[in-house]
Amino acid sequence: EIVLTQSPGTLSLSPGERATLSCRASQSVSSSYLAWYQQKPGQAPRLLIFAASTRATGIPDRFSGSGSGTDFTLTISRLEPEDFAVYYCQQYGSSPRIFTFGPGTKVDIK
Amino acid sequence: QLQLQESGPGLVKPSETLSLTCTVSGGSISSSSYYWGWIRQPPGKGLEWIGTVYYSGSTYYNPSLKSRVTIYEDTSKNQFSLHLRSVTAADTAVYYCARDSVTRFDYWGLGTLVTVSS
Repeated sequence: EIVLTQSPGTLSLSPGERATLSCRASQSVSSSYLAWYQQKPGQAPRLLIFAASTRATGIPDRFSGSGSGTDFTLTISRLEPEDFAVYYCQQYGSSPRIFTFGPGTKVDIK
Repeated sequence: QLQLQESGPGLVKPSETLSLTCTVSGGSISSSSYYWGWIRQPPGKGLEWIGTVYYSGSTYYNPSLKSRVTIYEDTSKNQFSLHLRSVTAADTAVYYCARDSVTRFDYWGLGTLVTVSS
């Protein structure tokens, strides 16, 4: 079973700053199978990025994803007030069919 | 616009069965392009995939929950349901239904809090 680790646990930044979030897998993950979500308090998660670097419909281009193998990154180029939230990475395994989420990174206002 | 809505009891007694239904509107669960899944989130904690059902009836479950979970679909009502047996306080969580687009979840319900308590 692949385990996802996210770092840092909490990232304290100011609006306008750049955020870099890391997701590390215990085994190599196909780039096609890595996604990122944003969750605000009291809301359902929202898909941001799939296939490691493809933005989901309606996601602003300040969000970008990159990485391969065991190391993946979500970057928010310039933080907007609405971007302060918790971010989760997720991997899909095809055999057997299984989904695993990382523990999350909280981006809060400095 | 695809919408998903969870429904079911908000309180379940220990050792009983948690049962939730997800009603899908704006799209058909009979589509061969998608799966339909359940994810949960204990209060203040992270996300855990529970399982997924395909239009054919095939199911896929989290190994850690497999012995207690059943997910099935009712295509006539455009709904899919979750049964989680022998619940304990550790099963207290917000339960989400979502569309599984093979490698990710792209549409989510609002979630429903289920508390396990006597």
